[in-house]
Amino acid sequence: DQQVKQNSPSLSVQEGRISILNCDYTNSMFDYFLWYKKYPAEGPTFLISISSIKDKNEDGRFTVFLNKSAKHLSLHIVPSQPGDSAVYFCAASVGSNYQLIWGAGTKLIIKP
Amino acid sequence: EAEVAQSPRYKITEKSQAVAFWCDPISGHATLYWYRQILGQGPELLVQFQDESVVDDSQLPKDRFSAERLKGVDSTLKIQPAELGDSAMYLCASSQTGNTEAFFGQGTRLTVV
Repeated sequence: DQQVKQNSPSLSVQEGRISILNCDYTNSMFDYFLWYKKYPAEGPTFLISISSIKDKNEDGRFTVFLNKSAKHLSLHIVPSQPGDSAVYFCAASVGSNYQLIWGAGTKLIIKP
Repeated sequence: EAEVAQSPRYKITEKSQAVAFWCDPISGHATLYWYRQILGQGPELLVQFQDESVVDDSQLPKDRFSAERLKGVDSTLKIQPAELGDSAMYLCASSQTGNTEAFFGQGTRLTVV
């Protein structure tokens, strides 16, 4: 049973446009959410996070939105750049149990 | 910039052989994780250490996998005997105590033939 789901295996976006990556979760106890970015043959790199007490967190071109009632979060990248082409993972954790539960990832392709 | 070091980067081994991976976390990071990632899936936690103690190894196949962090710094993950289904990327990560944000190494790509 997947507790964290990324239903889009891939997403293609034109350079300069907005990229929106989605993530759904089933465990209402999750209270901390993270996005990681992964290039081929490298380990994941932390991108941005959000606590359940917030509904939005912004860092430069990256914004994460959390909708607790829908158990849904999204990552917005604007404007999208070629270097953003990578696999993006959504992960969630429960309180003091810091084990992260990961989604399967979405491959983002930025077209020139 | 501090980083998590892993070796080897790539490993090809025959099934039934033993294989070992090494990880050196970021200095000062007491928490260390070993993950396995199969292509097309998210990382799966195998074992989590807090200093030299195992905090969570519920997903570690203990009949063939073992992990140790004897001095609470670097760590070794061993598979014996390796099976074809063990082919995957093995990722090591570390974090400061109480911080969910983990820093990952480049991983070891294992191929079992």
